[in-house]
Amino acid sequence: QKEVEQDPGPLSVPEGAIVSLNCTYSNSAFQYFMWYRQYSRKGPELLMYTYSSGNKEDGRFTAQVDKSSKYISLFIRDSQPSDSATYLCAMAKTGGFKTIFGAGTRLFVKA
Amino acid sequence: KAGVTQTPRYLIKTRGQQVTLSCSPISGHRSVSWYQQTPGQGLQFLFEYFSETQRNKGNFPGRFSGRQFSNSRSEMNVSTLELGDSALYLCASSEDGTPVNTQYFGPGTRLTVL
Repeated sequence: QKEVEQDPGPLSVPEGAIVSLNCTYSNSAFQYFMWYRQYSRKGPELLMYTYSSGNKEDGRFTAQVDKSSKYISLFIRDSQPSDSATYLCAMAKTGGFKTIFGAGTRLFVKA
Repeated sequence: KAGVTQTPRYLIKTRGQQVTLSCSPISGHRSVSWYQQTPGQGLQFLFEYFSETQRNKGNFPGRFSGRQFSNSRSEMNVSTLELGDSALYLCASSEDGTPVNTQYFGPGTRLTVL
């Protein structure tokens, strides 16, 4: 079993839709939870970062962490065609130097 | 500041050969991590270096090795290439490699093994 599970999609939504992306994990030691966005032919870039449980909002993006269920989510409101990319969840432990990534979900937002 | 650079961007090799990939981190960053990205397995951690020392290693065979120089530049080597080594190899730099500090990724080196 992988430490981090993420549905690879693809996920196709119309412009303006609310997008929900999710990951589950098995290691309860993870304390840092991140979402990266990767456009075609580019490296991933950090989108959101959360420590421990709770919600974090940044513009149209909201990250949620539920440590009791070992489940994290990224919500995108009012999705735009420019949001079309692969979204990767990532996790790390306190004091660690290793980040574990999910497989990534391919998102298409249709105009 | 210039971003993370990786060379070469594309590489074609045949089975049995060896390959060396290079990564130049953002100026001031001392931690460099390497990842392998494939459609089936996603982004998998290879190893992380800080101040020329490997601090962490993923579950890859010994054919995969790396090193870091005193200027923080890093190289990754794969010996005796196999078809399954075809992938995008990404490096990422950060100030100290801890989760508190953001990792910045390079564009990757696309390796094709024939």
